[in-house]
Amino acid sequence: EPEVTQTPSHQVTQMGQEVILRCVPISNHLYFYWYRQILGQKVEFLVSFYNNEISEKSEIFDDQFSVERPDGSNFTLKIRSTKLEDSAMYFCASGRGGQTEAFFGQGTRLTVV
Amino acid sequence: QQPVQSPQAVILREGEDAVINCSSSKALYSVHWYRQKHGEAPVFLMILLKGGEQKGHDKISASFNEKKQQSSLYLTASQLSYSGTYFCGTEDGGSQGNLIFGKGTKLSVKP
Repeated sequence: EPEVTQTPSHQVTQMGQEVILRCVPISNHLYFYWYRQILGQKVEFLVSFYNNEISEKSEIFDDQFSVERPDGSNFTLKIRSTKLEDSAMYFCASGRGGQTEAFFGQGTRLTVV
Repeated sequence: QQPVQSPQAVILREGEDAVINCSSSKALYSVHWYRQKHGEAPVFLMILLKGGEQKGHDKISASFNEKKQQSSLYLTASQLSYSGTYFCGTEDGGSQGNLIFGKGTKLSVKP
């Protein structure tokens, strides 16, 4: 069964460093998303991406965040200068659109120290 | 605007029923329900679109009342495997994927 895969599963980084979280969406999906979940809290929408551009972004997704689909298969989330409060589980998801379900990857746990 | 889920937590014995509610202060285009087990990714349960849908999946069903801007998830004859946190995600304008999730309802099913 096709699935969304994310790497790495866990990343530890120092405050101020840049990190890139990687995702391989399901191959025939056209819509891609990043969500964040701080430990014990709700899942928060960050950004949606369609047709090689951002279609929606939340207030959380400020200038330190960027997304890219560099090669037609990977979908990346870059955090330029990490802060302690960026520590969270980051989930990538993909979907076919038309109000169909989003499939989530297993997440990358980001720890900023 | 974040939807409001109730209750925040519920403890059941196997075989008992539960209802989880999700309401919004904004008009809704669709409601998505997900279940997340500890340390895992959210897993899709069902989507309800405007039109007053009801859907079922095994012993889990849901309804969507767009006039009341609310949805309810019904779990009947609960099983141990139903334990987890249930999130509703709402879309208010048809923007694909811009799901705003509620804070979740933690369901614990005991033997």
